[in-house]
Amino acid sequence: QITLKESGPTLLKPTQTLTLTCTFSGFSLSPSGVGVGWIRQPPGKALEWLAVMYWDRDVRFSPSLKNRLTITRDPSYNQVVLTMTNVDPVDTATYYCTHSVGGTSLSWGQGTLVIVSS
Amino acid sequence: QSVLTQPPSVSAAPGQKVTISCSGSNSNIGNNYVSWYQQLPGTAPKLLISDNNRRASGIPDRFSGSKSGTSATLDITGLQTGDEADYYCGTWDISLSAGVFGGGTKLTVL
Repeated sequence: QITLKESGPTLLKPTQTLTLTCTFSGFSLSPSGVGVGWIRQPPGKALEWLAVMYWDRDVRFSPSLKNRLTITRDPSYNQVVLTMTNVDPVDTATYYCTHSVGGTSLSWGQGTLVIVSS
Repeated sequence: QSVLTQPPSVSAAPGQKVTISCSGSNSNIGNNYVSWYQQLPGTAPKLLISDNNRRASGIPDRFSGSKSGTSATLDITGLQTGDEADYYCGTWDISLSAGVFGGGTKLTVL
């Protein structure tokens, strides 16, 4: 059974750095094409794709956010960490991590709500 | 503004059929597989369809997907009140080198 769980702060102030951890189980980042992705959803709005890290450490970012995002992995703990710098209230959203194969998000975490407010 | 275009809402009566469209371009739908996701109120999205028309595990055959050129379609037959949800299409965009989603379609079962 594949599970993913996001963890991180609920409340941040503008200009701070957001660090989210995805802890996953039931799959490995070894097979070709397998990755862990990040997707967010502002309250009442649509899904927005953010980033993905593949098995070979290849990473891709949303062009609109690539200057603010980094993604790392800790395979010994089955974790992938997304960092977003200089947050703004428009970054308020539920952030999901996903088990990704190719361009498909096969499984999703429950999501974690992040609020950016002064 | 989402890269893929979906109608904001659709509705139909229980037992009827509904079609949700997803329009893109050659850099995304035209050259990649399309996935469909269902998001029930207050929950995380769930994969319904991958690879244009492959149902995910446990998804009933009332749900079907197809693709033609730069557009994709999700059909839901035998509508049930439990199908009321937001539906999103998604794929990879080779020009952006990033994933992309549609703006979502809210399904109401009248």
